Amino acid sequence: GENVEQHPSTLSVQEGDSAVIKCTYSDSASNYFPWYKQELGKRPQLIIDIRSNVGEKKDQRIAVTLNKTAKHFSLHITETQPEDSAVYFCAASGSNTGKLIFGQGTTLQVKP
Amino acid sequence: GAGVSQSPSNKVTEKGKDVELRCDPISGHTALYWYRQSLGQGLEFLIYFQGNSAPDKSGLPSDRFSAERTGGSVSTLTIQRTQQEDSAVYLCASISSGGSYNEQFFGPGTRLTVL
Repeated sequence: GENVEQHPSTLSVQEGDSAVIKCTYSDSASNYFPWYKQELGKRPQLIIDIRSNVGEKKDQRIAVTLNKTAKHFSLHITETQPEDSAVYFCAASGSNTGKLIFGQGTTLQVKP
Repeated sequence: GAGVSQSPSNKVTEKGKDVELRCDPISGHTALYWYRQSLGQGLEFLIYFQGNSAPDKSGLPSDRFSAERTGGSVSTLTIQRTQQEDSAVYLCASISSGGSYNEQFFGPGTRLTVL
C-alpha cells in the first residue's frame, strides 16, 4: 500500500545552521508533496509544497527538492531560528481523492 | 472568513461509550478529510468526502467508525463502543475541491481520551 518514510525522527541544530529532513514514498503515482509544520498543541500548517513537474522550489529560508526517479523528497531550512522548532511532516498525494499520506514526523529543535 | 472549526476540543469518555466529533469546513469547500493523529505519530487518513458522498472510506480502522456529511458542509465522525486504542487527536481538513493539489486547511482537532 501507500507509504511515506521520514527521517530523522528528531533533529537538533544550533541557531543559524541548516536542517534537512528527508522522505521517501512508495506510490509512483504520487504527484503532490506538501510539508506541514505543527507546533505543540496546534493544527498542522502548510509551509511549502511541490508538484511532480518541478524538481525544486524555494521560499525564503525554506526549500524542497524532489527526485521522482528515486521517489525521494527533502525539506531544507537554512539559517534556522528558535521559532523554527516544531514537528515537521512530509506527505504525498497521488490519488484522485487528494488524500494525503503522511510521514511519521521530525521533531526539530533549534538551540539558541 | 473563518477557518475550519471542530468540536468539542476535548472529549473524555469511558470505554464502550459512543462519541460524535464535529467538523465545520471552510465555507464553499466541497472536499473534506478526516485524519487521526496518535500520540507522537503522523497523521493517518480516515475518510474523504466530496460533497455529501464518501468515495474513499479506506482509512476507517473498523466498522465501529462511521462518518457522514450533510448539506455539503458539516461532517460528523462517530465512534461506537469506544476502545482505549481510539484515544488520539482527530483532525479534519477541507479543500476547495477534492483531488486538486492545493493546500488542505486543518481544523484544531478534537483530543479524544478513552478511559
